[in-house]
Amino acid sequence: DTGVSQDPRHKITKRGQNVTFRCDPISEHNRLYWYRQTLGQGPEFLTYFQNEAQLEKSRLLSDRFSAERPKGSFSTLEIQRTEQGDSAMYLCASSLLWNTEAFFGQGTRLTVV
Amino acid sequence: DAKTTQPPSMDCAEGRAANLPCNHSTISGNEYVYWYRQIHSQGPQYIIHGLKNNETNEMASLIITEDRKSSTLILPHATLRDTAVYYCIVRRNNAGGTSYGKLTFGQGTILTVHP
Repeated sequence: DTGVSQDPRHKITKRGQNVTFRCDPISEHNRLYWYRQTLGQGPEFLTYFQNEAQLEKSRLLSDRFSAERPKGSFSTLEIQRTEQGDSAMYLCASSLLWNTEAFFGQGTRLTVV
Repeated sequence: DAKTTQPPSMDCAEGRAANLPCNHSTISGNEYVYWYRQIHSQGPQYIIHGLKNNETNEMASLIITEDRKSSTLILPHATLRDTAVYYCIVRRNNAGGTSYGKLTFGQGTILTVHP
C-alpha cells in the first residue's frame, strides 16, 4: 500500500454538471476526511467518516455535496449541479482510529467552466 | 480548536537551519501542536507533533515553550526540496486519547530555500 489514492487527479466540467471523486485510504485506516483547498488558502475541512459512519460535516458542505463511504473502505464525494465557485482542489486524508497522524492524497483538482 | 499565527513568508539559505515560529496563545491543556507542509501541487504532508515536550524525528524538531503559547519548527539543514507552505495547527484530542480528527489549517508560512 503506497498511501492515499485519489481519482481523478484533474477534472474539468461544465457548470451544472455532476461530478464524483473517489478516495482510497490507506488500508486499515478507520478515519477518512475530505478537505477543499482554493488557491492561496489552506485546506478547509468538509467532512469525515469513522468506518462507514459520517460523523461530522462542515457548513461548507452544501446540499449539492454528498459523501459516502460504503463498507468503510473507499469514499466518494459527489457534487451536483456544479458552480464556478466549486473550482478547487479536493483533498482526501486518512488516519488510524488511535493514531493522530493524517495522511493526505495528492488531491483532485476540479475546474468548472 | 485554538487559532494559530504564523509569519506569511520566510527565506532560508540551503544548508542552514530553518526556524519557523508559531503563536498559539489560546491553546488549552488537551490540544496538541501539529506541523504539516505542502509542496506545490501536492497534498499536505505530516511533519511532527507534540503536547508539551520537545520532539524530534527524522524530518524536524519541534520546540514548545514552557507556557505552550508558542512553538518553533526547526529544519536543521534545509534543502531546496524543503521549499513549501508550512502549517502550524492546534488539534484537540479527547480524554480517551482518540483524536477528534479534523485539522484546521490557517494560511501557513511560505518557506523559500535559496541556493
